[in-house]
Amino acid sequence: NAGVTQTPKFQVLKTGQSMTLQCAQDMNHEYMSWYRQDPGMGLRLIHYSVGAGITDQGEVPNGYNVSRSTTEDFPLRLLSAAPSQTSVYFCASSRVGRGSYGYTFGSGTRLTVV
Amino acid sequence: DAKTTQPPSMDCAEGRAANLPCNHSTISGNEYVYWYRQIHSQGPQYIIHGLKNNETNEMASLIITEDRKSSTLILPHATLRDTAVYYCIVRPLRAGGTSYGKLTFGQGTILTVHP
Repeated sequence: NAGVTQTPKFQVLKTGQSMTLQCAQDMNHEYMSWYRQDPGMGLRLIHYSVGAGITDQGEVPNGYNVSRSTTEDFPLRLLSAAPSQTSVYFCASSRVGRGSYGYTFGSGTRLTVV
Repeated sequence: DAKTTQPPSMDCAEGRAANLPCNHSTISGNEYVYWYRQIHSQGPQYIIHGLKNNETNEMASLIITEDRKSSTLILPHATLRDTAVYYCIVRPLRAGGTSYGKLTFGQGTILTVHP
C-alpha cells in the first residue's frame, strides 16, 4: 500500500550510541519531514526537506542530522543518543506545488535512550 | 500561523454526529484550515482542509463560518474507531502559492465515542 514507512518501530539505545531512523515514501512526494512527540509537548518539527539534496532545520534540530539523496528516503540520524531524545518520532510527507495538500504520516518509531 | 482554540474534550454517542468546534479568530486571508486526528499510539491522520467554502469528503465535513473565524468538523455517524485526538491547524500557503512547512499541533480535542 502506498504511504510512509518507518523503521524500526521500537528501539532501545544506550546513552552515547548512534543510530539511524529510516523513513521511506512511495508517493513521489517532494516534501518530507521529521517530528518528535513528547507527552504534553505536542509534535515538534526536527528537520525537513523539499527535495533531494535540500534540507533545513525545524524547531528542535540539535542532536539530529538528516540527508536527502533520493526523493523516496529521508533518514534521521542520532549522532550520540541522550535520554532527552527518548520520544516517539514521526515522519511525514506531502506534495509541493500550487495548492494546498494534506500530510501523510508514518506509524512512528518509539525510541528509548537509557 | 494563526492560533487555534479547541475544547479539551468531547463525548459522542456511537451512531450520532460528532461536531468538533475550532476557533481561529486571527486567521488571515491566505490561511487554510486543516483537520488531523491521532488515534492512540498511531501517526496523525489527515482528515480534511478548506479555505472558505464548506468541504466534504469520505471521512468528514468541514463547515467554515462566513467570517472564517471559526470552523466545525463534522463526523456524520461516529463509531468507536473515531475515538481520537482531533487537531485543528491553520496554515498559510507560502509565497508563490506553494504548500509545505511546519504543522503546529496544539493540544487538540479528545473525542470519546461511547457505545
